Amino acid sequence: SSELTQDPAVSVAMGQTVRITCQGDSLRTYYATWYQQKPRQAPVLVIYGKNNRPSGIPDRFSGSSSGNTASLTITGAQAEDEADYYCNSRDSSGYRLFGGGTKLTVL
Amino acid sequence: QVALQESGPGLVKPSGTLSLTCAVSGGSISSSNWWSWVRQPPGKGLEWIGEVYHSGTSNYNPSLKSRVTMSLDKSKNQFSLILISVTAADTAVYYCAKVGSYGAFDIWGQGTLVSVSS
Repeated sequence: SSELTQDPAVSVAMGQTVRITCQGDSLRTYYATWYQQKPRQAPVLVIYGKNNRPSGIPDRFSGSSSGNTASLTITGAQAEDEADYYCNSRDSSGYRLFGGGTKLTVL
Repeated sequence: QVALQESGPGLVKPSGTLSLTCAVSGGSISSSNWWSWVRQPPGKGLEWIGEVYHSGTSNYNPSLKSRVTMSLDKSKNQFSLILISVTAADTAVYYCAKVGSYGAFDIWGQGTLVSVSS
């Protein structure tokens, strides 16, 4: 498959842990990168590589991968984490590809 | 710190050509990086358009490959996107981005809305 599949929407109670997943055959070969996008803003990189956070990204964000599934975990979700989250990797031909995005609601 | 800024017309006529430029500040476009374009139709997700290397080598999304050209202007420290034969489906916010470690888009421009309409 040359697609990356994400759940369209996920919700989490404030302070709880939430996992956002991204599925695709290419994830067996390539790492996923994760982006946070708030309304009317450009995306922001939150996780890259095996589990790396850019400077300024809180350590409650972490990444993992198993088989064809990559996951972004937010441990202790905050109100400011409410946003759309996109995974990105490569397809079977090596071209870059985004998942459809997950809208995270913090209750 | 590298910063990116997109510029170009906000309105293009159907069948016309979309042309955008991304100015790079705080760093050199000649550094060993890929420079990329991503777009987002209103209310929809992100779509990778393509990328250009500092050497001029480029890769394009297969779904857009026949209509896309990307290039670098080292004298102006900027890179460009040209998309021909546009339709309403090309209406989107267009972002330029720097590709960093592990192929991550680590720096993004603020984005520019391009509408295709007569």
